[in-house]
Amino acid sequence: DAGVTQSPTHLIKTRGQQVTLRCSPISGHKSVSWYQQVLGQGPQFIFQYYEKEERGRGNFPDRFSARQFPNYSSELNVNALLLGDSALYLCASSLADSSYNEQFFGPGTRLTVL
Amino acid sequence: AQSVTQPDIHITVSEGASLELRCNYSYGATPYLFWYVQSPGQGLQLLLKYFSGDTLVQGIKGFEAEFKRSQSSFNLRKPSVHWSDAAEYFCAVGASEYGNKLVFGAGTILRVKS
Repeated sequence: DAGVTQSPTHLIKTRGQQVTLRCSPISGHKSVSWYQQVLGQGPQFIFQYYEKEERGRGNFPDRFSARQFPNYSSELNVNALLLGDSALYLCASSLADSSYNEQFFGPGTRLTVL
Repeated sequence: AQSVTQPDIHITVSEGASLELRCNYSYGATPYLFWYVQSPGQGLQLLLKYFSGDTLVQGIKGFEAEFKRSQSSFNLRKPSVHWSDAAEYFCAVGASEYGNKLVFGAGTILRVKS
């Protein structure tokens, strides 16, 4: 079975631009979470979606938004990019809406903002 | 609010030696506790998890962890380290009322010398 897939693998943008990152969960998983991992730090929670509804939001500005589609795939959008948005963006999927369910992480999208 | 502290940024051990990685958490009730491993350029892989019950949990790759409520700790151990264990290790805490949100520590980089 395929694991969590993310696209693109790498991305280079300039300040002020907008970016869209994509995530396909494991088949049958209805929950998708997004994390930002800045170099040298642990992942930080950005969003969680379950059954196409936002179930949690971390401490990130409104420039960050996300959505989940009927097939449970998800997109993370970041507007007005700042240098500090450079990070590895990780997507995780799980069966349901609880950390009791194991979360499976994708390989991430490496975003570089110049 | 939940928080996780991993006091050691780097740890170097000899191949075949035992390993203990420290993790302290802050959370009012009984948390869900996790250890993840991340190899360079990879996503996160779950090593083990604790929800309730037996305080000593076994995971994959020969790892185990012990939950100590009195010390708010969840330390990861391995009796004999292999060179392939070199990676970054993250402790994380979740809770039933926070959905899938995980709070991660800053990570410990493990180096294995031959």
